Amino acid sequence: DTEVTQTPKHLVMGMTNKKSLKCEQHMGHRAMYWYKQKAKKPPELMFVYSYEKLSINESVPSRFSPECPNSSLLNLHLHALQPEDSALYLCASSPGRWNTGELFFGEGSRLTVL
Amino acid sequence: KQEVTQIPAALSVPEGENLVLNCSFTDSAIYNLQWFRQDPGKGLTSLLLIQSSQREQTSGRLNASLDKSSGRSTLYIAASQPGDSATYLCAVRPSDTGFQKLVFGTGTRLLVSP
Repeated sequence: DTEVTQTPKHLVMGMTNKKSLKCEQHMGHRAMYWYKQKAKKPPELMFVYSYEKLSINESVPSRFSPECPNSSLLNLHLHALQPEDSALYLCASSPGRWNTGELFFGEGSRLTVL
Repeated sequence: KQEVTQIPAALSVPEGENLVLNCSFTDSAIYNLQWFRQDPGKGLTSLLLIQSSQREQTSGRLNASLDKSSGRSTLYIAASQPGDSATYLCAVRPSDTGFQKLVFGTGTRLLVSP
C-alpha cells in the first residue's frame, strides 16, 4: 500500500490563527518531507526528516514549524501566516535515507490565508 | 547549481499517438531521476524511478531512459489515452550539495484529445 495521507484537504485561516497540517504513512519509510507548491510551479522543498533528524531549507520563514512525533507521522504547524503563503502543501515519504529510493506524495492540503 | 528543464512546456496530441517528453539537467552528479504526473490541484504520482547506474525503466505503456553523461532523460508514452492528460514533472537528486533535495523541472502539460 503506497499511500501518504494528508489532512485536512482544504484549510482556510486568518493571519492570526494557529493551525496544523498532518501527514501519515504506513509504508515503514524513514524519510518524510514537506513541499510547498504555488500554481503552475514545481514543488519547493521546505523540510526533511530523515531518521527523525530534521533538515531545513533556510529560506523557509519561521512561521512554519515542522514536527515529527514518530517515523510515520509528520505535522506542519502554521502561525501568523501571510496571504502569500496560500499554496498547495504536499507531504512525501521515501524509504531509507533521503538520497535514495522513490518519493511518494500525498494528495496535498490546499491552504488559503485570508 | 543544478537546473532541470523540460521541453516542450505544453503538448497536445490526438488519442493513440506515441509521444516523448524531454528532461535536461545541467549537472550529471545525481543519485537518481524520477518522473511524476500531477493532475490539476492534486498531489504527485510517481511514475518511474531511474537510479544513476541504470539506463532505462519501464512500466506498462511508459518507458523512461537516462543518459547521465549528457544530462538527459526521456519519458516515452505509447498509445496515448485521454486519461494521460496531466502535467508531467521530472526531478533529480543532486549528489554534491549540502542540503540535498529533489530538483524539479518546470513540467510538461500534456493534453490527449479523444
